Amino acid sequence: AQSVTQPDIHITVSEGASLELRCNYSYGATPYLFWYVQSPGQGLQLLLKYFSGDTLVQGIKGFEAEFKRSQSSFNLRKPSVHWSDAAEYFCAVGTGNTDKLIFGTGTRLQVFP
Amino acid sequence: ETGVTQTPRHLVMGMTNKKSLKCEQHLGHNAMYWYKQSAKKPLELMFVYSLEERVENNSVPSRFSPECPNSSHLFLHLHTLQPEDSALYLCASSQAGQGKFYGYTFGSGTRLTVV
Repeated sequence: AQSVTQPDIHITVSEGASLELRCNYSYGATPYLFWYVQSPGQGLQLLLKYFSGDTLVQGIKGFEAEFKRSQSSFNLRKPSVHWSDAAEYFCAVGTGNTDKLIFGTGTRLQVFP
Repeated sequence: ETGVTQTPRHLVMGMTNKKSLKCEQHLGHNAMYWYKQSAKKPLELMFVYSLEERVENNSVPSRFSPECPNSSHLFLHLHTLQPEDSALYLCASSQAGQGKFYGYTFGSGTRLTVV
């Protein structure tokens, strides 16, 4: 069965610092991988997705993520965090055979000025 | 109007009330979903509708009743809820099939409080 693990429940960074949010998945074949962001009281917004091809994918708001098959990981990165990036971030895995996404438990990002 | 719209944004209901949550998508997608998001718990998939047919019901109590009258509209009918049903209910849509899947577009959610 597919599963997603986000090991960090809460991360705090200073504005301007670099950021990496971890995501590990469990799936036998090549997965479809997603990162979503959720601001308080809002729905989830898609940041980026990986289906195939180049393992480094670019997303909105300056985010990128790298698919590493050997590590079953899809970590999200941003070189310089802005205060508006404070939110909850969810990693998700899906397949081409089903229309479902399995979500991780989320990582809450706090940004200090 | 574009995207996925959920109404109402906030709902407070008593345990004996009957209410409905509404979701509408303007993206031409062929699948719609209900998720429940509770504090400190993972997102829980409740129902999946593909081409207006319910294809999944993840052991959701019968006090939650979904309805999908067409590919653009999805409802969640609520009756005799419990306080533990208080949560953010998220609707999503996607275009899927033929081995392709591009992820979900979410609505802003309905914050439900059961008193």
